Amino acid sequence: QQPVQSPQAVILREGEDAVINCSSSKALYSVHWYRQKHGEAPVFLMILLKGGEQKGHDKISASFNEKKQQSSLYLTASQLSYSGTYFCGTEGAGANNLFFGTGTRLTVIP
Amino acid sequence: DAGVIQSPRHEVTEMGQEVTLRCKPISGHNSLFWYRQTMMRGLELLIYFNNNVPIDDSGMPEDRFSAKMPNASFSTLKIQPSEPRDSAVYFCASSFPGSGTDTQYFGPGTRLTVL
Repeated sequence: QQPVQSPQAVILREGEDAVINCSSSKALYSVHWYRQKHGEAPVFLMILLKGGEQKGHDKISASFNEKKQQSSLYLTASQLSYSGTYFCGTEGAGANNLFFGTGTRLTVIP
Repeated sequence: DAGVIQSPRHEVTEMGQEVTLRCKPISGHNSLFWYRQTMMRGLELLIYFNNNVPIDDSGMPEDRFSAKMPNASFSTLKIQPSEPRDSAVYFCASSFPGSGTDTQYFGPGTRLTVL
């Protein structure tokens, strides 16, 4: 039930944009996005509920296509502080546990 | 408010020894999750509790692993006997499903090294 993330790793220069994808083979109720910096715990970014919603704050946004069982995280005008590993966590209907993807390591360089 | 508290932060032990990891969830949260993170396998859900009751322990690797939640403010994950392949970072997370978001808040983790 582990979702698949792509790409596995990406290197950006400051100011560039990136898209991280998350797809599941199961019907989804919600998708959660987390960012983990090296040596730290994952930190919640945002949650998207079924209904095809989009969300965003600052220059990080996400979309959720429940029909395709996919979600994408968009990082625009990247900053050095965006570096870290991004995980999507997927939740099926009737459950409140998450299955996390393998992560996407994002590195932003000056 | 204090976040999720885990102890110890680091644990080094020898193969065959018993290891107990502890977690205090955020006050008012009624779901608690134990995860294991390794480079090879990523973030794996081991077990989770709702209202102190284990709901899904299918992620627990084998009988050497056990978890308890005797009350709403405390949980333990025990490994007995420990093996080198158990070396990983173990995270505890809590959430309040009643809020409608199921956002999980992670503790700082326990880095376990089994020699």
